[in-house]
Amino acid sequence: TQLLEQSPQFLSIQEGENLTVYCNSSSVFSSLQWYRQEPGEGPVLLVTVVTGGEVKKLKRLTFQFGDARKDSSLHITAAQPGDTGLYLCAGRGSGAGSYQLTFGKGTKLSVIP
Amino acid sequence: AAGVIQSPRHLIKEKRETATLKCYPIPRHDTVYWYQQGPGQDPQFLISFYEKMQSDKGSIPDRFSAQQFSDYHSELNMSSLELGDSALYFCASSFGLAGSNTGELFFGEGSRLTVL
Repeated sequence: TQLLEQSPQFLSIQEGENLTVYCNSSSVFSSLQWYRQEPGEGPVLLVTVVTGGEVKKLKRLTFQFGDARKDSSLHITAAQPGDTGLYLCAGRGSGAGSYQLTFGKGTKLSVIP
Repeated sequence: AAGVIQSPRHLIKEKRETATLKCYPIPRHDTVYWYQQGPGQDPQFLISFYEKMQSDKGSIPDRFSAQQFSDYHSELNMSSLELGDSALYFCASSFGLAGSNTGELFFGEGSRLTVL
């Protein structure tokens, strides 16, 4: 079983601050996705990273995939109240038949105005 | 753009009853996945189908079954419901299996099942 550890589990920051969320595993993933989930709604895909060392930017969000494709980070610059939500990383295995995504337990972010 | 459609959005059942959840994938998506998310938990993979055949199986109880139909919609059947089955059930869809895409899933808004 491939496990993804996310940290921190909870994060409460003031508007305008920067933050980083981490997603770590001992397993190698062929791809890794970051999702954002609002209460009672389905996860919404933010980004997919595929190549080791890859960095993707989405406005104030910067995503990085580790060189060994075992870990990833999400950095938010100048957080805004609209960034509040549950951030989930999910990895697709690299072995044959690895069709399912393994989710981390998520980071619950609260941005206080 | 059309998204994944799930029905019903909310469902209340008694213990030992049966429930059926439906999922309509994004047009041209041929793979559907079912996830169960308990309160405060991360989504747990239940089962997936590709081209109407089961492609992967996760932590789906024996009391549950699912299938994908010729129009690619899928149904999750849950029998002998237990209190612990109360959760949000998400369906997601993609085009192709892991070997042919980067693994992106598109989720529906979920069906909230409450077992009393």
